[in-house]
Amino acid sequence: DQQVKQNSPSLSVQEGRISILNCDYTNSMFDYFLWYKKYPAEGPTFLISISSIKDKNEDGRFTVFLNKSAKHLSLHIVPSQPGDSAVYFCAASWLQGAQKLVFGQGTRLTINP
Amino acid sequence: GAGVSQSPRYKVAKRGQDVALRCDPISGHVSLFWYQQALGQGPEFLTYFQNEAQLDKSGLPSDRFFAERPEGSVSTLKIQRTQQEDSAVYLCASSSRTGFYEQYFGPGTRLTVT
Repeated sequence: DQQVKQNSPSLSVQEGRISILNCDYTNSMFDYFLWYKKYPAEGPTFLISISSIKDKNEDGRFTVFLNKSAKHLSLHIVPSQPGDSAVYFCAASWLQGAQKLVFGQGTRLTINP
Repeated sequence: GAGVSQSPRYKVAKRGQDVALRCDPISGHVSLFWYQQALGQGPEFLTYFQNEAQLDKSGLPSDRFFAERPEGSVSTLKIQRTQQEDSAVYLCASSSRTGFYEQYFGPGTRLTVT
């Protein structure tokens, strides 16, 4: 059972425009959500996170939105830059889960010049 | 060191061989995790250490998989009698006590079993 789902395997966005990556989850016990970015042949790099007590967290060009009632979160990148081209993973964790992360399948983002 | 390091970066093993994968976490990080990432998928949890104690090994796929962290720093993931389905990237991550949930990943070891 896939507890964290990223339903779009790929996304293509023009440079300078907004990129929106989506993630859905099924486990109501999740209380912390993270986004990771991964380049080929490298490990995932932590990008931004959000606690379940918030509905928005912003860090520079990156904003994560959490809709608990819909069990949905999204990552907004504004403006998109060529260096943002990578695979993005959504991950979730919960206090009783001993910090282990449950990942989605990833979305490959391509920023076109 | 500056980040999590893993060795070897690439490993080719013949079916039935034993392999050992090493992880050096960020200095001072008490928590250490191992994940397995199959091609085209997200990482999947294998096991978790807090210092030298293995607190969760629920994700280890079989008893052929064994992990240790004897002194609370470097960790080794050992796979005995490798099978083709073990082919994957094995990722190690560490986190500090204060950054409870953010985990910092190494580059991974790509294991190919032929």
